[in-house]
Amino acid sequence: GESVGLHLPTLSVQEGDNSIINCAYSNSASDYFIWYKQESGKGPQFIIDIRSNMDKRQGQRVTVLLNKTVKHLSLQIAATQPGDSAVYFCAEYDPTGGGNKLTFGTGTQLKVEL
Amino acid sequence: DTGVSQDPRHKITKRGQNVTFRCDPISEHNRLYWYRQTLGQGPEFLTYFQNEAQLEKSRLLSDRFSAERPKGSFSTLEIQRTEQGDSAMYLCASSSLAGRYIQYFGAGTRLSVL
Repeated sequence: GESVGLHLPTLSVQEGDNSIINCAYSNSASDYFIWYKQESGKGPQFIIDIRSNMDKRQGQRVTVLLNKTVKHLSLQIAATQPGDSAVYFCAEYDPTGGGNKLTFGTGTQLKVEL
Repeated sequence: DTGVSQDPRHKITKRGQNVTFRCDPISEHNRLYWYRQTLGQGPEFLTYFQNEAQLEKSRLLSDRFSAERPKGSFSTLEIQRTEQGDSAMYLCASSSLAGRYIQYFGAGTRLSVL
């Protein structure tokens, strides 16, 4: 029921430490992978994307790593700040078969402790 | 603010009533998407439009749900004869055709069916 859905995987980090959030995907045909950040009461906010022909992409304080062999995606946040506290979702985009939707994974709650 | 806007932010209704939500996408985006999100879960795709054409519908979109985008700009999502199971956050997103895998989300409409 609802109580099961509330038990998001949680990552607690100290302010200033690096955070690593992991995501497994299942669709080999997915062409793009995107990380979103969702704060309480708000819609998902785009953070960074990576195309399937890349294995690493860096942004400002964030790095996404893609391992297609094991279908694994990770988001690294450097020098984590209190404002980074949110739920993080990975999403995959499969352009084949007429699909145009994003498929979201299970979110991870990031808690930054002062 | 030139982001995706949704109205209302919150809607409380009684079971059996009809509700309508509105989404205004980013002005230059010709793709518009509706997703539903329940507590602790990632957004689930409902339907999408390219300009005024509704091109894909999820099996989640029962015949009580209807979406329109009559002039290729704003969109409405109507739920008829609401049920308690319809209680969720309804998210709208938009994208350009070229960057369709990066979808920008609104803050959502929180629906509570009593």
